[in-house]
Amino acid sequence: GQQLNQSPQSMFIQEGEDVSMNCTSSSIFNTWLWYKQEPGEGPVLLIALYKAGELTSNGRLTAQFGITRKDSFLNISASIPSDVGIYFCAGRAGDSNYQLIWGAGTKLIIKP
Amino acid sequence: DSGVTQTPKHLITATGQRVTLRCSPRSGDLSVYWYQQSLDQGLQFLIQYYNGEERAKGNILERFSAQQFPDLHSELNLSSLELGDSALYFCASSSRVVSGANVLTFGAGSRLTVL
Repeated sequence: GQQLNQSPQSMFIQEGEDVSMNCTSSSIFNTWLWYKQEPGEGPVLLIALYKAGELTSNGRLTAQFGITRKDSFLNISASIPSDVGIYFCAGRAGDSNYQLIWGAGTKLIIKP
Repeated sequence: DSGVTQTPKHLITATGQRVTLRCSPRSGDLSVYWYQQSLDQGLQFLIQYYNGEERAKGNILERFSAQQFPDLHSELNLSSLELGDSALYFCASSSRVVSGANVLTFGAGSRLTVL
């Protein structure tokens, strides 16, 4: 079946550092979504990507839809304490499977 | 507030019992999705409904069932509960059948603890 690998699994960073995480799939996707989940809450959409090569920003967050259509990355610049949480990627493959495939998440922890 | 309402927020019950989780989708959304998230795990897709009809099934156990009512709210029924069913259960909604063409909006979740 379709698989989506998200890395890293967790990140310990200092406040002010830039963060980068990515997702790769075993098949071609035509949609990539990035969500953030804070403790005790549901995931919230950060960025949606619909075209290969698309680069989209949302404040300090930037995400790109890979040219191969099999990967996507999310960058966070100048991290702040409220960036902590779990970041999930999700993608929809180019076949008739309508369901989103989810990554396992990247847990972002900011070192005091 | 995402506009997706889930109740109850917390639920504690015993093994062997049955519970019902409720979800009201965002106004105008016709699709409802149920996800399970166990401790420190990712999101496991359970089932999707669109305008009252089941559209897709994921890794949903036979002990679990769901339905979507004419007013578009949905209920997830979990029966013969086991310790391993303890998890966060999320409902999400979207306005189209094809989830990838539109994004999912999640509720705050129902935390189920089975003792």
